[in-house]
Amino acid sequence: SQQGEEDPQALSIQEGENATMNCSYKTSINNLQWYRQNSGRGLVHLILIRSNEREKHSGRLRVTLDTSKKSSSLLITASRAADTASYFCATDGQGAQKLVFGQGTRLTINP
Amino acid sequence: GAGVSQTPSNKVTEKGKYVELRCDPISGHTALYWYRQSLGQGPEFLIYFQGTGAADDSGLPNDRFFAVRPEGSVSTLKIQRTERGDSAVYLCASSSLAGYNEQFFGPGTRLTVL
Repeated sequence: SQQGEEDPQALSIQEGENATMNCSYKTSINNLQWYRQNSGRGLVHLILIRSNEREKHSGRLRVTLDTSKKSSSLLITASRAADTASYFCATDGQGAQKLVFGQGTRLTINP
Repeated sequence: GAGVSQTPSNKVTEKGKYVELRCDPISGHTALYWYRQSLGQGPEFLIYFQGTGAADDSGLPNDRFFAVRPEGSVSTLKIQRTERGDSAVYLCASSSLAGYNEQFFGPGTRLTVL
């Protein structure tokens, strides 16, 4: 079963613009991770944010976490064509190591 | 260093056949996970190994699915009497328990059951 929901399901923007994707989840968590997937194959780990953190940065990526609202956002600044991919959030918690994924956001960057 | 590798990258089989999918985790990672991803969906958990033992197999859909990790490194996911509904991309991930459960994924095996 899917824990989270990404919003929007699909996003299309112009190169150079910022892209924001949101993730909501249902149960308490230890960590939330964001992944990128190209062409339906392997997932690339982007960033992990712990439940006691509120914001984290990595290069052009900014992730926020609001545990009171059970939501997270991923911001990609100055988007590039190579950022075109599907983006997933995944959570773990409640004593389990397994990750529970949302259904993803399909991001398209138009040149 | 080398990432997670999976073989084969693609597997086409006929309904009713037996298949094995292999995962080679990142060296030194004690935790290994199998997930399954259907088209347009996020990955869904199947089984988690800590060392040689299956610590959580709650995601295996039925007893046709089985996985082993006999030496605590390479793992094999085995599917008996395959069905068309088993068609999916099977993803393997590994993690070091020294971290915060960052899981690093392999490229996946695309299984097609005809």
